[in-house]
Amino acid sequence: GQNIDQPTEMTATEGAIVQINCTYQTSGFNGLFWYQQHAGEAPTFLSYNVLDGLEEKGRFSSFLSRSKGYSYLLLKELQMKDSASYLCAVMDSNYQLIWGAGTKLIIKP
Amino acid sequence: GAVVSQHPSRVICKSGTSVKIECRSLDFQATTMFWYRQFPKQSLMLMATSNEGSKATYEQGVEKDKFLINHASLTLSTLTVTSAHPEDSSFYICSAPYGGDNNEQFFGPGTRLTVL
Repeated sequence: GQNIDQPTEMTATEGAIVQINCTYQTSGFNGLFWYQQHAGEAPTFLSYNVLDGLEEKGRFSSFLSRSKGYSYLLLKELQMKDSASYLCAVMDSNYQLIWGAGTKLIIKP
Repeated sequence: GAVVSQHPSRVICKSGTSVKIECRSLDFQATTMFWYRQFPKQSLMLMATSNEGSKATYEQGVEKDKFLINHASLTLSTLTVTSAHPEDSSFYICSAPYGGDNNEQFFGPGTRLTVL
């Protein structure tokens, strides 16, 4: 079956760095997405990885290793507004998104 | 980036009534749109794929006669929850792929449905 695993909840301190991991097992692979979702709102796109390596975009970076079925989202210089759920999603061979359950990130002052 | 709108943002209805939710791509055309449902503290669950000019494709376990989908044009898809029950209360989100190399999905703001 298809499976996406990510931690349920993480806590970090304002100004620090946090890494959210995602491992996946899917039928085919056409890219991995990270989305941010604030409570009661729709997800917003953060990053897309289809090749191995690190993609940097401002304070956020995303890494992919296809051979290991592994990705992480790295958030630097954490701000209180970064408190949200972070969803990992993989596009399978049918170009459908398989979603992880999301990681709730709590930022403390 | 591309914009997807949804209407209404919130709806409260009585059990047994039907509710229609609209999803529009505002500045691009979408031959395909996706409808998701999200229960509290859970991930998005794909309900169906809406296809312009043809029937929607439903995920396993989703009743097509209860969740009617109509992709009326290249910019509009509607989801109608028929004979709604309290267990249908959820957050309904649509998305549309914008195309390009990223296959990026743009999400609507979501519709909070509460069935009394």
